[in-house]
Amino acid sequence: DAGITQSPRHKVTETGTPVTLRCHQTENHRYMYWYRQDPGHGLRLIHYSYGVKDTDKGEVSDGYSVSRSKTEDFLLTLESATSSQTSVYFCAISESVLFPQHFGDGTRLSIL
Amino acid sequence: DQQVKQNSPSLSVQEGRISILNCDYTNSMFDYFLWYKKYPAEGPTFLISISSIKDKNEDGRFTVFLNKSAKHLSLHIVPSQPGDSAVYFCAASAKNTDKLIFGTGTRLQVFP
Repeated sequence: DAGITQSPRHKVTETGTPVTLRCHQTENHRYMYWYRQDPGHGLRLIHYSYGVKDTDKGEVSDGYSVSRSKTEDFLLTLESATSSQTSVYFCAISESVLFPQHFGDGTRLSIL
Repeated sequence: DQQVKQNSPSLSVQEGRISILNCDYTNSMFDYFLWYKKYPAEGPTFLISISSIKDKNEDGRFTVFLNKSAKHLSLHIVPSQPGDSAVYFCAASAKNTDKLIFGTGTRLQVFP
């Protein structure tokens, strides 16, 4: 299995609070991605990174920010969580765009 | 606008028979296609991929077929096994892009 660790695995928080999810990899892959999975929508890309300090938006980036200060860590932040951001969040990594992405086991986030 | 579509939310197949999962896409710039398998409470796992220069790729019990003129791909699983019961996502990317676009998934149930 690709060395990807997501933390926390579960989180319950209240509307308006900040939340940070962490993705840590031990594979030294260049690319890292954050997705959310919701019923009827499949997996939708939030943000991704193509190198340290290099990030770009995905299709559902509003309300989210990311940071990558080291190759191995990619952080996803919800500055002020809303109930619509209740979801399962997956991190993925890949060596390059020519290689498949490999996923972590997800973070289940509930915003009440 | 859903660029990758999996029109069958679920499929039920008897053990030992063939499972056929379908995926349609609208973007003619897509040139790389993948299938992922997902069990509950786990991240998606890469299964098989195909480049647009091919029309078939096989890996053990899994075969992916690509029909570019119809913008259609399918995953065949032969013979189906109970352990194949999972949600299957197809995904696509376009040349020189860093992103995968996922379908909404098909839940496959293989019964004895």
